[in-house]
Amino acid sequence: GAGVSQSPRYKVAKRGQDVALRCDPISGHVSLFWYQQALGQGPEFLTYFQNEAQLDKSGLPSDRFFAERPEGSVSTLKIQRTQQEDSAVYLCASSPLVGMNTEAFFGQGTRLTVV
Amino acid sequence: AQSVTQPDIHITVSEGASLELRCNYSYGATPYLFWYVQSPGQGLQLLLKYFSGDTLVQGIKGFEAEFKRSQSSFNLRKPSVHWSDAAEYFCAVGRVSGTYKYIFGTGTRLKVLA
Repeated sequence: GAGVSQSPRYKVAKRGQDVALRCDPISGHVSLFWYQQALGQGPEFLTYFQNEAQLDKSGLPSDRFFAERPEGSVSTLKIQRTQQEDSAVYLCASSPLVGMNTEAFFGQGTRLTVV
Repeated sequence: AQSVTQPDIHITVSEGASLELRCNYSYGATPYLFWYVQSPGQGLQLLLKYFSGDTLVQGIKGFEAEFKRSQSSFNLRKPSVHWSDAAEYFCAVGRVSGTYKYIFGTGTRLKVLA
C-alpha cells in the first residue's frame, strides 16, 4: 500500500481480555517501530524490529506485551490480560533504512480502550 | 536520563502571524533532532530533522528549526501561520544511548485564529 496501515483503528476490550494489533508497513521497509501514546502525551517507544529481528524491546511495559514480525513485513503487537492503564493509541512506524535516522512513516494508530 | 521538554502545552496565534514552538533536550552528545506534526486522527508526519552541519534546517510546509547547542534547544519556526497548521507538534530526540528509540516531548497544541 501507499502508507503504513494499522488495524483495527479502534478496539474496545474488557479488562482481562487479550488483544492483537496489526501493522502493515510500507513494502520493503527494513525498520519497524511500535509506540504507545497515552492521552495528552507524546509517543513512547515500545519496540524495534530490523527485518524479522526484534533488536530492542526495552520499552515494553510488562511481560503482558509481546510483538512479532515473523517474515520481516507485517507486525503484530499482542497485549495479554489487558488492564485499564493499557488504554492508549498504539502507533506503528516504518523506515526504509536501519534505525530511525531517516524519515519514519507513521500509521494512523489503533486506539485501544480497556473497560 | 535523556529527555525532551516542550514547555508550551497550548499556543494560540492569529492566521498570518509568526510562530515559534520551543523544544529543549537533555542529552550528553549531539543528538539527532526531529519535529513531527500530528493532525487529529492522523499519524505523525515528519516536518524536519537535524543530524549535523548547518544549524538552521528547512522543512516542509514552510517550517524551519534552529539547533542551538549552547542552549540545548531546537525551536520550530514559521514566519506566517496558515489555518491548516492547527495541529499538535512534537519534538523528538534520536540516537539515544546507542538505541533505536526516539524520545518524544509531550507536544504543543497549536490553535490558529482566523
